[in-house]
Amino acid sequence: GAVVSQHPSWVICKSGTSVKIECRSLDFQATTMFWYRQFPKQSLMLMATSNEGSKATYEQGVEKDKFLINHASLTLSTLTVTSAHPEDSSFYICSAKGGTSGMRVQETQYFGPGTRLLVL
Amino acid sequence: GQNIDQPTEMTATEGAIVQINCTYQTSGFNGLFWYQQHAGEAPTFLSYNVLDGLEEKGRFSSFLSRSKGYSYLLLKELQMKDSASYLCAPMDSNYQLIWGAGTKLIIKP
Repeated sequence: GAVVSQHPSWVICKSGTSVKIECRSLDFQATTMFWYRQFPKQSLMLMATSNEGSKATYEQGVEKDKFLINHASLTLSTLTVTSAHPEDSSFYICSAKGGTSGMRVQETQYFGPGTRLLVL
Repeated sequence: GQNIDQPTEMTATEGAIVQINCTYQTSGFNGLFWYQQHAGEAPTFLSYNVLDGLEEKGRFSSFLSRSKGYSYLLLKELQMKDSASYLCAPMDSNYQLIWGAGTKLIIKP
């Protein structure tokens, strides 16, 4: 299998607060985890790539001080949206890829179910 | 630059066959993925092609021609639940997936 969980699935918060989203690979060790954002009817936008134990690599235009990523273990990565504002409202999705096992190919990204963030 | 070209939207009938085409240009190439994304949900992995030819997996098949920068996803015996967006995502020389907007497939009874 290749199951990725994400928590919470829904967040509603007030402007100025911080929100933490967890991403876990449940049945494999993820060498790399990715964080995406998707606005309605638009394509996936990669925000950052993280490898366990090292600093995340952020895509151009993504503020690393606003979107804090921690990849503490081979099965857990967290994204913290600091001082959230209404324009940060979006669908945040993580994905993970890991070693080859069975039918799973190393380079395949498996996605978590996503987190809907609404900032009021 | 890197880009992906897929039809924005396609309509097909339940029980029929549909082919979703994808052409791409990338800096280097390390395979191509197809994902399915239902409205409001995250993408799910469908297939991965790294060599030329057809890969069959149940009702879904994916084809790749590296020399032409071309792939297609073939869906047979369409079911209503196949209504979704289908994302063609080639992987470049840095093993980064390149994402387009995908093809929205509408299945009619």
